Amino acid sequence: DGGITQSPKYLFRKEGQNVTLSCEQNLNHDAMYWYRQDPGQGLRLIYYSQIVNDFQKGDIAEGYSVSREKKESFPLTVTSAQKNPTAFYLCASSIGGTPGELFFGEGSRLTVL
Amino acid sequence: GENVEQHPSTLSVQEGDSAVIKCTYSDSASNYFPWYKQELGKRPQLIIDIRSNVGEKKDQRIAVTLNKTAKHFSLHITETQPEDSAVYFCAASNTGGFKTIFGAGTRLFVKA
Repeated sequence: DGGITQSPKYLFRKEGQNVTLSCEQNLNHDAMYWYRQDPGQGLRLIYYSQIVNDFQKGDIAEGYSVSREKKESFPLTVTSAQKNPTAFYLCASSIGGTPGELFFGEGSRLTVL
Repeated sequence: GENVEQHPSTLSVQEGDSAVIKCTYSDSASNYFPWYKQELGKRPQLIIDIRSNVGEKKDQRIAVTLNKTAKHFSLHITETQPEDSAVYFCAASNTGGFKTIFGAGTRLFVKA
């Protein structure tokens, strides 16, 4: 099945710890994205990547980091510098090059204890 | 920066009635306007989209209209059914397409 896979689905973290969320796609898409979803605030863009070895900050990149070493993978690290990390994180991909449909993963819910 | 405003935040309709959700965008370079539906506990999925060279698009019970001059676009759902209950997000992006900006979402309740 083609698609986009996020893991883990649920994650608990203590304050001060970094945590990495995995995102893998087998759609052969060039572009990948990370969004954060909070109640009543829609989806806010954290980072995006147009192509391997390249990525740009979105609107709320502070306290997050990413890498894009492979076309299929775009992991997100939530660092201890992120002041309010408890949220639902969605990874997405698109063909790229022209505006088009975003294909989302099922999300990862991070809770900081 | 770019912004997309969406109204209303909550909408409750009787089964069979129509529902309308409205969005405005700030970036005049935006030329692609998708709508996503997110059912409870599930991922957002595209239900319809419209590009700037088109004023209206329809797919069965769903239609979207775009007014580029006013920077408005709207989602219309006719003959609503209980399974239409979900959160709906509008969004806007431009050529390059790498920065899709989402509205805050509308929670639609369809009462049977």
